[in-house]
Amino acid sequence: EVQVVESGGGLVQPGGSLRLSCGASGFNLINYWMSWVRQAPGKGLEWVANIKQDGSEKYYVDSVKGRFTISRDNAKNTLYLQMNSLRAEDTAVYYCARIIFNNTWNNDYWGQGTLVTVSS
Amino acid sequence: DIRMTQSPSSLSASVGDRVTITCRASQSISNSLNWYQQKPGKAPKLLIFAASSLQSGVPLRFSGSGSGTDFTLTISSLQPEDFATYYCQQCRSAPWTFGQGTRVEIK
Repeated sequence: EVQVVESGGGLVQPGGSLRLSCGASGFNLINYWMSWVRQAPGKGLEWVANIKQDGSEKYYVDSVKGRFTISRDNAKNTLYLQMNSLRAEDTAVYYCARIIFNNTWNNDYWGQGTLVTVSS
Repeated sequence: DIRMTQSPSSLSASVGDRVTITCRASQSISNSLNWYQQKPGKAPKLLIFAASSLQSGVPLRFSGSGSGTDFTLTISSLQPEDFATYYCQQCRSAPWTFGQGTRVEIK
């Protein structure tokens, strides 16, 4: 069974850092692009970043460029999101999602999310 | 960036109703359009990919159509488990963007 499980969320002060992890099971991470998507409390979905299978290509939404870094360790079947210089507006549930190409790109499997709260 | 606009933002419907949600892209995205369903406290679930292809395991009452800038998600006969929020997503170019969501509520 395909599963992705996020961890690492919590309460952090503005300006602080946090690293999220996403463990993959039921499939080989090395074969897939991966995404991070977030959802602020009571708000809609916002795509954050994508990373290619070998980590050679990364894409970010403008609001996190220079502050967040997506990375992966295929040997550990784990995806990461390093978040620095955190702001109140980064408060959200962060989802890890697998990407497949099936005529077009889409996110076919999602984790349950991990909550990041940025507050003093 | 490609802006995605959904309408309506919310709707009330009864079990058995036919429901239609529209999504408009600010520029042509061909068929690079996906639809997701999200229930409170849960992760999004892929329903439709490539504008009109049904994801495995999704009931046949869900269908999608459109190409270019205008897209539609239709639920042919609303069921109790379909009350949720629906999002469109374009994956034509980065940054991938979502519509603001359509909340489907019980009338």
